[in-house]
Amino acid sequence: AQSVTQPDIHITVSEGASLELRCNYSYGATPYLFWYVQSPGQGLQLLLKYFSGDTLVQGIKGFEAEFKRSQSSFNLRKPSVHWSDAAEYFCAVGESTDKLIFGTGTRLQVFP
Amino acid sequence: EAGVVQSPRYKIIEKKQPVAFWCNPISGHNTLYWYRQNLGQGPELLIRYENEEAVDDSQLPKDRFSAERLKGVDSTLKIQPAELGDSAVYLCASSPPGGRWSYNEQFFGPGTRLTVL
Repeated sequence: AQSVTQPDIHITVSEGASLELRCNYSYGATPYLFWYVQSPGQGLQLLLKYFSGDTLVQGIKGFEAEFKRSQSSFNLRKPSVHWSDAAEYFCAVGESTDKLIFGTGTRLQVFP
Repeated sequence: EAGVVQSPRYKIIEKKQPVAFWCNPISGHNTLYWYRQNLGQGPELLIRYENEEAVDDSQLPKDRFSAERLKGVDSTLKIQPAELGDSAVYLCASSPPGGRWSYNEQFFGPGTRLTVL
């Protein structure tokens, strides 16, 4: 069965620092991979997705993620975090574009 | 363009009472999803509609949960009777039509936070 693991429940960084959020998945084939962000009281917003091709994908708000098949990982990165990036981040894996399995999320806190 | 609309945003009820959530998807989106998000967890799919047809309801607890999407537009999710464990955020999402192998992004509404006392 597919599964997604986000090992970090809570991460705190200073504004301007770099960020990496970890995501590991379990799936037999190459899955569809996604990162979503959820601000308090808001729905989820898609940051980026990976289906195939270039393993480094660019998303909105300056985020990028790298697919590493050998490590079954799809980590999210940002070179310089802004205070407005504080939110909950979810990694998701899908056997199709319609059926997604979400991780438990990583809460990002940004200090000025 | 208006996003996915959900109401109410918050609902507090006593256990054994019924409750209903409403979702209006983005205009033109034929696929509609209902998710449940427990505290500290990611969303879990309850049911997916293609137009008015429920094409995946395998995770919907059918003894107490029901959903409908009459006319293939807005949708209602109902719980009757509610239990303490149903406290969660219920998210609705929609996606536009597309080819089988194309990606159709899911757009999420703000959710309804249900508290069962």
